[in-house]
Amino acid sequence: NAGVTQTPKFRVLKTGQSMTLLCAQDMNHEYMYWYRQDPGMGLRLIHYSVGEGTTAKGEVPDGYNVSRLKKQNFLLGLESAAPSQTSVYFCASRKTGMYEQYFGPGTRLTVT
Amino acid sequence: DQQVKQNSPSLSVQEGRISILNCDYTNSMFDYFLWYKKYPAEGPTFLISISSIKDKNEDGRFTVFLNKSAKHLSLHIVPSQPGDSAVYFCAAHNNDMRFGAGTRLTVKP
Repeated sequence: NAGVTQTPKFRVLKTGQSMTLLCAQDMNHEYMYWYRQDPGMGLRLIHYSVGEGTTAKGEVPDGYNVSRLKKQNFLLGLESAAPSQTSVYFCASRKTGMYEQYFGPGTRLTVT
Repeated sequence: DQQVKQNSPSLSVQEGRISILNCDYTNSMFDYFLWYKKYPAEGPTFLISISSIKDKNEDGRFTVFLNKSAKHLSLHIVPSQPGDSAVYFCAAHNNDMRFGAGTRLTVKP
């Protein structure tokens, strides 16, 4: 079991460029999440999904889009990157009826 | 608004002693609380949790206490070990999960 994996691990973007972060889980979990972690801010929820084909906004959704076309994958897109989106991004998943989330190793994104 | 607060950014403890990490929350609708541990360059990993209907949960060296009237949560680690050195996040669940900013625990040999 690989658990939750994230690609890429690191990325540097110029302002205005776009990119997609990929999250994959092999635990057959229904719920998937995207968080960003910034110094002194903890983890803040960007978007989440309660199942294939469904997504919902979290605490800080502006500037991001997501898609969940397959149960095991959750994509996070930045259409026009801004320096304020420099952060570490974590994907997580959990099983219905359980509260514990399983996290990926993170993607460090720098926007210059 | 930060609904979950960890007011101590860092804590240093001697090996073998007790570590107490604190967390305060403002939303009385939270129904479940969790603690996560995070090492550098890794994702957070689940440590221990407690339902809002309980006031204590114990798992080995780790105990979580919940004081609903004070809206306060604490994690006790006894005895502390150097391998416990990490950042600890508390989290609270309502419709989604809200995390505190984390406390960096350093356990000195």
